[in-house]
Amino acid sequence: DAGITQSPRHKVTETGTPVTLRCHQTENHRYMYWYRQDPGHGLRLIHYSYGVKDTDKGEVSDGYSVSRSKTEDFLLTLESATSSQTSVYFCAIRRRDTQYFGPGTRLTVL
Amino acid sequence: GEDVEQSLFLSVREGDSSVINCTYTDSSSTYLYWYKQEPGAGLQLLTYIFSNMDMKQDQRLTVLLNKKDKHLSLRIADTQTGDSAIYFCAEITMNTGFQKLVFGTGTRLLVSP
Repeated sequence: DAGITQSPRHKVTETGTPVTLRCHQTENHRYMYWYRQDPGHGLRLIHYSYGVKDTDKGEVSDGYSVSRSKTEDFLLTLESATSSQTSVYFCAIRRRDTQYFGPGTRLTVL
Repeated sequence: GEDVEQSLFLSVREGDSSVINCTYTDSSSTYLYWYKQEPGAGLQLLTYIFSNMDMKQDQRLTVLLNKKDKHLSLRIADTQTGDSAIYFCAEITMNTGFQKLVFGTGTRLLVSP
């Protein structure tokens, strides 16, 4: 257990609405990640952070933004949700050379 | 490019051994990982192997690494119904100085009584 929580765990929203997902960690890890999981694709990296206010894009970052104003929280925002962003979102932290994952948020965009 | 491939599905009987295979492309990967995902849950790290090793054993789990063929396998001995899950292989790659994980699509293991 790497002390990672995600909120909300489930969310249903409508196309065009903004959505923010939160990842919280309790162990002061420097690196945090956001992934999405879709059938047939495994996990794909959306954004990552290497410190407070230090973030960068992953392979599927279009339509997403992130913020990290304190070490323990990493927020993922969908400015205007689309149906293609229906997915399960996982946050992860890096401890040494291994990533540990949160329980996930299931997001449905209608 | 980076690509990790796995077969989609494996079905075994309880008590048999399961072997899940994975091929990867980045020969410079320093670590390779196996994660397990149960329904509705996050990914749980099962085990990992450092690239200078050929084999790692951890209780019922055996990881074999063939660097020449870029092939990784996970063997589960005495498979139990509780082992039914999706198993992901992942490799570490470096991208502009940043270390990232590349995942396979996952192998769904079904264990029948």
